[in-house]
Amino acid sequence: DVKVTQSSRYLVKRTGEKVFLECVQDMDHENMFWYRQDPGLGLRLIYFSYDVKMKEKGDIPEGYSVSREKKERFSLILESASTNQTSMYLCASSGTGINEQYFGPGTRLTVT
Amino acid sequence: RKEVEQDPGPFNVPEGATVAFNCTYSNSASQSFFWYRQDCRKEPKLLMSVYSSGNEDGRFTAQLNRASQYISLLIRDSKLSDSATYLCVVTLPSGNTPLVFGKGTRLSVIA
Repeated sequence: DVKVTQSSRYLVKRTGEKVFLECVQDMDHENMFWYRQDPGLGLRLIYFSYDVKMKEKGDIPEGYSVSREKKERFSLILESASTNQTSMYLCASSGTGINEQYFGPGTRLTVT
Repeated sequence: RKEVEQDPGPFNVPEGATVAFNCTYSNSASQSFFWYRQDCRKEPKLLMSVYSSGNEDGRFTAQLNRASQYISLLIRDSKLSDSATYLCVVTLPSGNTPLVFGKGTRLSVIA
């Protein structure tokens, strides 16, 4: 059974803090993704990665960076958190090709 | 025009009813199509893929109409446990977004 885990379910940070969101998958998947989900806006892709040390910008990369040093781990970094980055962050992974994505449980981040 | 459009609902239906959702997509070169289900405060999970010939899984039937660029999901004999948000998902042949998610259609099945 595929498992995608995220480091925190809930996180509260202050404006200007550096924030790390970690995602780990246990199925040896090549592809990993970071989304944010907001009411009325749906799921929006921030960054994704097709391989270790590779990254691609999604639709809304501004204010975020990512790191993929190991195949199973994909980190999302908010260099200087802002209140408009308060959101639900979802990590996902998938195997080779564009097919089913498995999502982690999400991290609800609040920036005050 | 948005790439994937869905009626947000909510669709409020009684138990046992049949309900159908449509989703339209704008890119005629879209290749693969899926329906995901998202329960309240949970992550999305794949419900079913949508094939050109249509496919059925128990009470759920998915159809693809390439000419009109829409996909549909039909739920028969609705159960209370079907209450969720249903996300339409389309893959694009190129570009920087591998999967495009619709905003979802909310279904509430009422006893």
